[in-house]
Amino acid sequence: DAGVTQSPTHLIKTRGQHVTLRCSPISGHKSVSWYQQVLGQGPQFIFQYYEKEERGRGNFPDRFSARQFPNYSSELNVNALLLGDSALYLCASRAGDTQYFGPGTRLTVL
Amino acid sequence: AQSVTQLGSHVSVSEGALVLLRCNYSSSVPPYLFWYVQYPNQGLQLLLKYTSAATLVKGINGFEAEFKKSETSFHLTKPSAHMSDAAEYFCAVSGGGSTLGRLYFGRGTQLTVWP
Repeated sequence: DAGVTQSPTHLIKTRGQHVTLRCSPISGHKSVSWYQQVLGQGPQFIFQYYEKEERGRGNFPDRFSARQFPNYSSELNVNALLLGDSALYLCASRAGDTQYFGPGTRLTVL
Repeated sequence: AQSVTQLGSHVSVSEGALVLLRCNYSSSVPPYLFWYVQYPNQGLQLLLKYTSAATLVKGINGFEAEFKKSETSFHLTKPSAHMSDAAEYFCAVSGGGSTLGRLYFGRGTQLTVWP
């Protein structure tokens, strides 16, 4: 079975732009979570979605939004990019009590 | 609320030596605890998890961890380090039920293994 997939792998944007990151969960997984990992730190929880509904949100500004589609794939959107948004963005899908992570999207904001 | 503290941002051991990576947690509910490993430029791979069953948990690649409620600890150990163990290790905590999709991570411990 394929694992969690994310696209794109790398992305370079400038301040003020908008970005959309995509995630496909493991087949059969209905829950997707997003995390931001700034260099040198542990991942920080951004959003949790289950059955297309938001089930949790971390301490991130409203510039961050997400959605989950009927096929359980998900998008993370970030508006008005700041330099501090540069990070590895990780998506995870969950089965039972375990989350399985994708390889991440490396976002660089110049 | 849940949080994790990893003691020691860098740990160095010789090949064949014991590996001990420390993790202390705080949780207002019975915790679910996890150790993940991250190799350079990759995502996170699950090493092992504690979910209120046996307190000594065995994981992949010879790693194990012991849940100690009295010490609020979940330290990761491996009897004999291998060069391929060099990576960053993250401890994470979650509550149960609807919060299982929210992991709270420590800052990570970079493990270096010397030949």
